[in-house]
Amino acid sequence: AQTVTQSQPEMSVQEAETVTLSCTYDTSESDYYLFWYKQPPSRQMILVIRQEAYKQQNATENRFSVNFQKAAKSFSLKISDSQLGDAAMYFCAYRSARSNYQLIWGAGTKLIIKP
Amino acid sequence: NAGVTQTPKFRILKIGQSMTLQCTQDMNHNYMYWYRQDPGMGLKLIYYSVGAGITDKGEVPNGYNVSRSTTEDFPLRLELAAPSQTSVYFCASSPRQGGRTEAFFGQGTRLTVV
Repeated sequence: AQTVTQSQPEMSVQEAETVTLSCTYDTSESDYYLFWYKQPPSRQMILVIRQEAYKQQNATENRFSVNFQKAAKSFSLKISDSQLGDAAMYFCAYRSARSNYQLIWGAGTKLIIKP
Repeated sequence: NAGVTQTPKFRILKIGQSMTLQCTQDMNHNYMYWYRQDPGMGLKLIYYSVGAGITDKGEVPNGYNVSRSTTEDFPLRLELAAPSQTSVYFCASSPRQGGRTEAFFGQGTRLTVV
């Protein structure tokens, strides 16, 4: 069975600095999708960025980018120029290409932004 | 554009009581999901639906029931509440299944069973 591990329960960063959140996963499959979701204090999950395993190029969305290392089964999220509004829980999630609905979630990392 | 709306936002139940968590979406999505989020854990799928009249179990369905009579609504029923059902419950929807499809989430219901 696939698993997703986020080894950092909490991270903090100074405003305007860069922070990297770690995510590793375990799978025997070669075709899958990876996601980072943000959960602010309002609780509503919001998609931050996603990556297809068949793509070698790392996904980027404005200040958010990923470092996808398929062989190492690693999918870290880099947030550049951190802003106060980035403070939230961040969840890494995995979906097999063979599954139509199942998302496997990590336990989350709480990101604190220091002004 | 309301998206996915869940009610109530908070609820305290006594052991053995029943309740229904409401979920409605206005995006005309066929696919809807119920998750629970326990402290320090990732989300776990309870039930999902691929369209009106069609539902199926996820990872942790015991103690719950769902129905899907319309595209918009996907209520989650708790029968005989137990302390183990204390959690935050999220409803989500998506326009398609699988692949890189994004799921859209409601704001959650924090349920405490005492």
